[in-house]
Amino acid sequence: GENVEQHPSTLSVQEGDSAVIKCTYSDSASNYFPWYKQELGKRPQLIIDIRSNVGEKKDQRIAVTLNKTAKHFSLHITETQPEDSAVYFCAAMYSSASKIIFGSGTRLSIRP
Amino acid sequence: NAGVMQNPRHLVRRRGQEARLRCSPMKGHSHVYWYRQLPEEGLKFMVYLQKENIIDESGMPKERFSAEFPKEGPSILRIQQVVRGDSAAYFCASSPGQVGTDTQYFGPGTRLTVL
Repeated sequence: GENVEQHPSTLSVQEGDSAVIKCTYSDSASNYFPWYKQELGKRPQLIIDIRSNVGEKKDQRIAVTLNKTAKHFSLHITETQPEDSAVYFCAAMYSSASKIIFGSGTRLSIRP
Repeated sequence: NAGVMQNPRHLVRRRGQEARLRCSPMKGHSHVYWYRQLPEEGLKFMVYLQKENIIDESGMPKERFSAEFPKEGPSILRIQQVVRGDSAAYFCASSPGQVGTDTQYFGPGTRLTVL
């Protein structure tokens, strides 16, 4: 069935270092992959997204890569800052429907 | 341009009561999605609606749960005879519904507590 696996579940990095979160998806027909950031008690907020016809996308300190053959996609945050601390969710949208299937989330902590 | 609105933000119900959660999509958005988030877990898809139509309800429990998006007014997620396991944050998202505009924008959520 439709599934998105996300790793790691928790991640702690030193301020200024990079953080990488990895996801895999099961349905090869997926064509849209958003990433959401959720702070405690707040709504999920879209931080970056990528479509299946693109291999990489970058927005300032955030980048996402997509390997369609391996069905992997990753989020890269460089020069991490304290405000990057949050739970990050990867997701995939399946071509057969417009629902989003979310990964289980990664709790990112930035150590000062 | 106001974002996705949800109310109430917090809702407390006793077991057996009904819960009604409301969602007003962003202006110009015709597609609404409901997701449920249990404590310390990810978001799970429940239902996808367009005006006056349920498009996909594959994630919604068959009993006690229903959703609508009438021609006028907000989308409503209704939970009848609530049980403790229904306690969760319920998020609504909306999208324009046009080809190439898949981005879903989330509301602030309704936190349902069942006593």
